[in-house]
Amino acid sequence: TQLLEQSPQFLSIQEGENLTVYCNSSSVFSSLQWYRQEPGEGPVLLVTVVTGGEVKKLKRLTFQFGDARKDSSLHITAAQPGDTGLYLCAGRREYQGGKLIFGQGTELSVKP
Amino acid sequence: DAGVTQSPTHLIKTRGQQVTLRCSPKSGHDTVSWYQQALGQGPQFIFQYYEEEERQRGNFPDRFSGHQFPNYSSELNVNALLLGDSALYLCASSSRGGGSIYEQYFGPGTRLTVT
Repeated sequence: TQLLEQSPQFLSIQEGENLTVYCNSSSVFSSLQWYRQEPGEGPVLLVTVVTGGEVKKLKRLTFQFGDARKDSSLHITAAQPGDTGLYLCAGRREYQGGKLIFGQGTELSVKP
Repeated sequence: DAGVTQSPTHLIKTRGQQVTLRCSPKSGHDTVSWYQQALGQGPQFIFQYYEEEERQRGNFPDRFSGHQFPNYSSELNVNALLLGDSALYLCASSSRGGGSIYEQYFGPGTRLTVT
């Protein structure tokens, strides 16, 4: 059983379209991070959210942490081919130290 | 400012052999975590080292062991390799002084292939 469920697993869109990736759990997380990973490379940290209801923006990317700190979403506006990659959410549960629990990832392909 | 570095980049081993992977954390970081990422999956937590001791461990067998040195660098050792150990092994560093945010920064990984 996956503790963090990401959806969709695969997404193929045209340049200029908008998209949303979801990360859901039945557990509460003290913080949640979003990473982007290119093939054969390590994940690169995009953002960390820690407060329920928190919204953070990074250029065309908008990240939201659910009010109950059990879910999160990543919204990309006007996607570009450079956004192509694997997007991973990862949460840290309270009283469980530094262990990050990852979702299975969303493979995004943006076609020109 | 050097980020997290890992060596080697790629490694091919035979079933039953032993392997050692190495990691140097980002400057200013004192904590190292290791993750295994199978193809098409998210990373799975192996263990975390702080002050040269294993502080937390995921659901991995004792064949997986590690070490942290006084300069905060770390090694991951895997004994009696199985075909299923083939994966990308990721090292992540963080700072205990980071408080509740506790962000982890990943290295490029070591691709291990067991034949």
